[in-house]
Amino acid sequence: DSGVTQTPKHLITATGQRVTLRCSPRSGDLSVYWYQQSLDQGLQFLIQYYNGEERAKGNILERFSAQQFPDLHSELNLSSLELGDSALYFCASSPPGLDRGTDTQYFGPGTRLTVL
Amino acid sequence: DQQVKQNSPSLSVQEGRISILNCDYTNSMFDYFLWYKKYPAEGPTFLISISSIKDKNEDGRFTVFLNKSAKHLSLHIVPSQPGDSAVYFCAASQYYGQNFVFGPGTRLSVLP
Repeated sequence: DSGVTQTPKHLITATGQRVTLRCSPRSGDLSVYWYQQSLDQGLQFLIQYYNGEERAKGNILERFSAQQFPDLHSELNLSSLELGDSALYFCASSPPGLDRGTDTQYFGPGTRLTVL
Repeated sequence: DQQVKQNSPSLSVQEGRISILNCDYTNSMFDYFLWYKKYPAEGPTFLISISSIKDKNEDGRFTVFLNKSAKHLSLHIVPSQPGDSAVYFCAASQYYGQNFVFGPGTRLSVLP
């Protein structure tokens, strides 16, 4: 158990809909990262938040948005869903200090999104 | 354009032997590299890392080698155990605290 929680575990929805994925980082971690893993693909970095502010952006579609709240939990919002958005979405967190979270990212179990 | 490549989608090794997983990258600005292990239905777990100032880092049965001139790194697992069977992801980043670029993964099967 990494200490990072993600809800829901599974989500099935229809094209055109909007969903929200939730992530609670490990206690004390300030950074939250979101990744997408499509079938047989590697992990695609979407976005990073640090203490409530956007820190880095990857290949995140305009239909997707995220935020990190004062209690440090984060939500990833996916709208106008398409079949190709079906994937595993992982959240990870890392501890503060030295601006170096790169070797200590702790991943949650993921949310499996299926768009029908 | 895949900046981090793991050209072997799968690898099978006998228990007790060495497992060697390879990773190549194209961006010469990458200076920090990591390996993650992932079991089914779980998130990736950090395994070992190496910065570009080193060419080797060892942690128990796991050793990562970095060849900067060849833009190549490898993960050695000795001896391999059945519990090592998982998907292994190589990842790279440029500057501390920046986002990672992950490879597509290699599925390792350690046969008893």
